Order: sequence, then structure tokens, then C-alpha cells
Amino acid sequence: GNSVTQMEGPVTLSEEAFLTINCTYTATGYPSLFWYVQYPGEGLQLLLKATKADDKGSNKGFEATYRKETTSFHLEKGSVQVSDSAVYFCALSGMGSSNTGKLIFGQGTTLQVKP
Amino acid sequence: GAGVSQSPSNKVTEKGKDVELRCDPISGHTALYWYRQSLGQGLEFLIYFQGNSAPDKSGLPSDRFSAERTGGSVSTLTIQRTQQEDSAVYLCASSLDLSQPQHFGDGTRLSIL
Repeated sequence: GNSVTQMEGPVTLSEEAFLTINCTYTATGYPSLFWYVQYPGEGLQLLLKATKADDKGSNKGFEATYRKETTSFHLEKGSVQVSDSAVYFCALSGMGSSNTGKLIFGQGTTLQVKP
Repeated sequence: GAGVSQSPSNKVTEKGKDVELRCDPISGHTALYWYRQSLGQGLEFLIYFQGNSAPDKSGLPSDRFSAERTGGSVSTLTIQRTQQEDSAVYLCASSLDLSQPQHFGDGTRLSIL
């Protein structure tokens, strides 16, 4: 079945450091890939998405590239801020005639950015 | 408000009681999803609605769980004879259609004593 694996957290960085959160997936066909973010005390928000191989999703300085050859969708940001402290979830949504749009999530990675 | 609204935000109940959780999706969104977020299991899909029908109920963990949607809008998730392992945050999401991103509510935190 489809699944998503994320690097375990927590990840602790200093402000302005480079961020990478690894995400790999297992899926049949060509899923769409997403990163969601959950800030403290808030609901899940879509951060970025990519719907086909080699697509790059980007938002708020974050980027992720859909790599079919390595089945990966790693999240990166060049310079993190304290306000980026949150839990980040990688997710996929299946394709094909049986697609219902349901999201399959990774376990989440907690990011803490220190001033 | 323009977002997905869930109520109650918190619910504490005794083991064995029934609970109902409500979701008001964004107006015009035809697709509606329920997920559960718990410490041990992460974020899990429960059920998907397209309009008022539920073509995918594969994530419901037992027959104690049921859900309905009326008028293509409001949805209710019902848990009968609650157990301690039902304690979790129940999230609702809606989208315009399958190809569009899902927008999440703030969730209902359910605690079973």
C-alpha cells in the first residue's frame, strides 16, 4: 500500500540555518505530494505541493522537488526563522480511477528554531 | 468565517458514552474528509464524502464509528460506546474537488476517561 516516511525529529536549529527534512514515499502510480505545517495551537495548513515528477513546490521560502527516481520529496529552506517552529507533515494523495483524494501522512517532524 | 469549522473544540466523556463531532466545511466544497491524529498512530484517514455519499470508509477503525453528511454540507462523526483508545484529535478537511488542496479545521480534542 501507499506510505510516507519522514525523518524523525525533533530537529533543532539556530536562526538562519539551512533546513532539510527528508521525506520518502511508496506508492503505485503517480501520486501528488504535499507538505503540511502545524504551528503551535493551530490547525494543519498546506505549505506546498507538487503533482508530477520534477515539479518543484514552493511557498514562504520553503521548497520541495518531486523526485520520482528516488521517490522523495525533501523539504528545504535556506534560512529558517524562529517563526518556522512547527510540526511538518509530508503527505501523498493517490491517483487513478480509485483516487478519493485521501491524504496519507508521514509521522511528522517537529522543528524548533532557536534565536 | 471562511474556514472549516469544527465543534466542540474539546470533549471529555466517560468510557462507554456516545459522542458526536460536527464539521462545517467551506461553502461550496463538495469533498469532505475526517482524519484522526493521535500520539501513537499519527494522522490517519477515517472517511471521505463526495456530496452526501461516502465512497471510502476504509479508515473507520471499528463499527462503533459512523459518519453522515447532509445537504452536501455539514458532517457528523459519531463514536458509540467510546473506549480510551478513541482519545485523539479528530480533524475535518474539505476541498472543492479531488484535485484541489484540502483545508483543515482546528479539530476536536476528544478525551475518554
